[in-house]
Amino acid sequence: AQSVSQHNHHVILSEAASLELGCNYSYGGTVNLFWYVQYPGQHLQLLLKYFSGDPLVKGIKGFEAEFIKSKFSFNLRKPSVQWSDTAEYFCAARYSSASKIIFGSGTRLSIRP
Amino acid sequence: DTAVSQTPKYLVTQMGNDKSIKCEQNLGHDTMYWYKQDSKKFLKIMFSYNNKELIINETVPNRFSPKSPDKAHLNLHINSLELGDSAVYFCASTGTGTTYGYTFGSGTRLTVV
Repeated sequence: AQSVSQHNHHVILSEAASLELGCNYSYGGTVNLFWYVQYPGQHLQLLLKYFSGDPLVKGIKGFEAEFIKSKFSFNLRKPSVQWSDTAEYFCAARYSSASKIIFGSGTRLSIRP
Repeated sequence: DTAVSQTPKYLVTQMGNDKSIKCEQNLGHDTMYWYKQDSKKFLKIMFSYNNKELIINETVPNRFSPKSPDKAHLNLHINSLELGDSAVYFCASTGTGTTYGYTFGSGTRLTVV
């Protein structure tokens, strides 16, 4: 079955630390990949997306993600986090055979000032 | 201009009542969705409409009934509300083709007491 896994449920970092959040997707043919962020009490906003081409994708707010096809992974990274990055992060996939986006279970990121 | 707007933002109601949530998008998108986010932040798709036609109907109690009067609107009616229906309900829309992500509404926090 098509699925998206995020193994880190809660990550706690200090400001200026580097961030990497894991995301794996199941095999299912051609796939588009997304990272969404949900700040406390707000709706989901698109951070970045991968469709094809350069596997290193740059998004908003200094985030980037790398698509590694051999590992079925699309990890999110940021070299230096800020307190304002405290949020829930969702990895998502849209398979060409499906008309819906499948979300991972989310990773809560807490940043200590 | 708000791209995807939901009303109401908050809804507190008693068990057994019937309530509706409305969603409108001004992006010219063809496809609209309803997602439910539970207390653990897990996002689960409920319904999807493409040009007023139902294309996704996940395993949802039949107390939930979507209605799409036109492609810019997707409403959700819930009959006989139960405590377990308490959640945040997000509307989303997307354009045609697999290269689009979703644009989300700001959510409706439903509390059943």
